[in-house]
Amino acid sequence: ELKVEQNPLFLSMQEGKNYTIYCNYSTTSDRLYWYRQDPGKSLESLFVLLSNGAVKQEGRLMASLDTKARLSTLHITAAVHDLSATYFCAVPYYNNNDMRFGAGTRLTVKP
Amino acid sequence: EAGVVQSPRYKIIEKKQPVAFWCNPISGHNTLYWYLQNLGQGPELLIRYENEEAVDDSQLPKDRFSAERLKGVDSTLKIQPAELGDSAVYLCASSNAAWGYNEQFFGPGTRLTVL
Repeated sequence: ELKVEQNPLFLSMQEGKNYTIYCNYSTTSDRLYWYRQDPGKSLESLFVLLSNGAVKQEGRLMASLDTKARLSTLHITAAVHDLSATYFCAVPYYNNNDMRFGAGTRLTVKP
Repeated sequence: EAGVVQSPRYKIIEKKQPVAFWCNPISGHNTLYWYLQNLGQGPELLIRYENEEAVDDSQLPKDRFSAERLKGVDSTLKIQPAELGDSAVYLCASSNAAWGYNEQFFGPGTRLTVL
């Protein structure tokens, strides 16, 4: 059974600092998704990583995928308060039609 | 372009009562998903539809949950009777595998509280 593990589950950062969120998964997959969820809101797609070595950047967030290590990272550069949210990684299975989500990383950026 | 629409946004019911949630996917998306999200956790898939056909309902508690997708567009998820443990957010998502990498787009969810 596919397991997706994120760490840390809770992250409190100061504004301006850098940090990395990790997503490990247990079975072979050639793609991975990152989503953001604000409190009481739905999930917003951030990144779709489609191959080994894929790297995507949007603003202060950069995501990468290492399919051989079954690891994805979401790197935060010079955090700002607006980045406070819960971040989920998700790995597809069942012929890429279903997704298994990690438990989420709840990020709080303090001034 | 309109996103995934869900209603109601909030529902409070007493245990043993029935409840239904409605979802309208993004136009042209043939795949529709229902997820359950408990507080502080990631979404868990309940059922996936390809057009009208339920192709993965292995996680749907069939004794009390049912779903349908008439005409391959809108979908309804029903719980009868509801139990206290059903309190959660029910998310609907849609995708189109023909549009590349089958990215899923989520609706705002229905927050169910069972008293």
